[in-house]
Amino acid sequence: RKEVEQDPGPFNVPEGATVAFNCTYSNSASQSFFWYRQDCRKEPKLLMSVYSSGNEDGRFTAQLNRASQYISLLIRDSKLSDSATYLCVVNLWGSASKIIFGSGTRLSIRP
Amino acid sequence: NAGVTQTPKFQVLKTGQSMTLQCAQDMNHNSMYWYRQDPGMGLRLIYYSASEGTTDKGEVPNGYNVSRLNKREFSLRLESAAPSQTSVYFCASSEALLSSYEQYFGPGTRLTVT
Repeated sequence: RKEVEQDPGPFNVPEGATVAFNCTYSNSASQSFFWYRQDCRKEPKLLMSVYSSGNEDGRFTAQLNRASQYISLLIRDSKLSDSATYLCVVNLWGSASKIIFGSGTRLSIRP
Repeated sequence: NAGVTQTPKFQVLKTGQSMTLQCAQDMNHNSMYWYRQDPGMGLRLIYYSASEGTTDKGEVPNGYNVSRLNKREFSLRLESAAPSQTSVYFCASSEALLSSYEQYFGPGTRLTVT
C-alpha cells in the first residue's frame, strides 16, 4: 500500500460545478498536510495547508480526518482556470522525518 | 524577486556522462530539497539540506550526490547517468525543515538520458 494515495482521475466537470477529492495516508504519525497545485509542465505551488479544524480559502475548503486518515479538497463554483493536477503532501517529523507527495489528481473543467 | 531558480531547463545526456544541476534561492531560506518527478508518481525526495553545511538522504538517493555550497545554493550531481534517471528534477526551499512551512519550487530541469 502506498503511503499517500490519490485517485489519479481525471475528474472532468462542467464550469460552475462543485468537485471534491480525497487523499489517504497510511502513517498515523503524520503531522502536517498540504494541498499543492501543479499546472501542466510547471512546478508545484502551495494551494493551502490543511489544519485539524479544517480551513477555507475562497472557493476552496480543505479538511483533515485523522480517525480515517484522509484529507479532502472541495472546490466550489469551479472555473476553467482550476484545471490542474492537485497533489496532496504529508509530512512526518522526528527521527524518521519524511515528506511524501501523492501522485496527484487531475482535474479538467469544461466550459 | 526570483524565488528559486534552476539551471539548465533541459538536458540530454548519454549513459555514463556526468552533470550537475544548479539551484539557487533568494528568500533566505534555511532548508533546500531536490526531488524527481516521474509520470504517474508523486515527487520523490532525493536529498535535502536542513541548513547550510548539512545534507541528508531522502527516499531515492542512489546515483546522486549533493552539495550545499552556501545558504543560497544547493546542487545535485549525477556522476554516471543512467536511463533510469530520465525525469523532471525540481529544487525547492523552505524556511525550516519538513515543517508546516510552505515549500517553494523552482521551474524544473527536464533530463533525458539515452
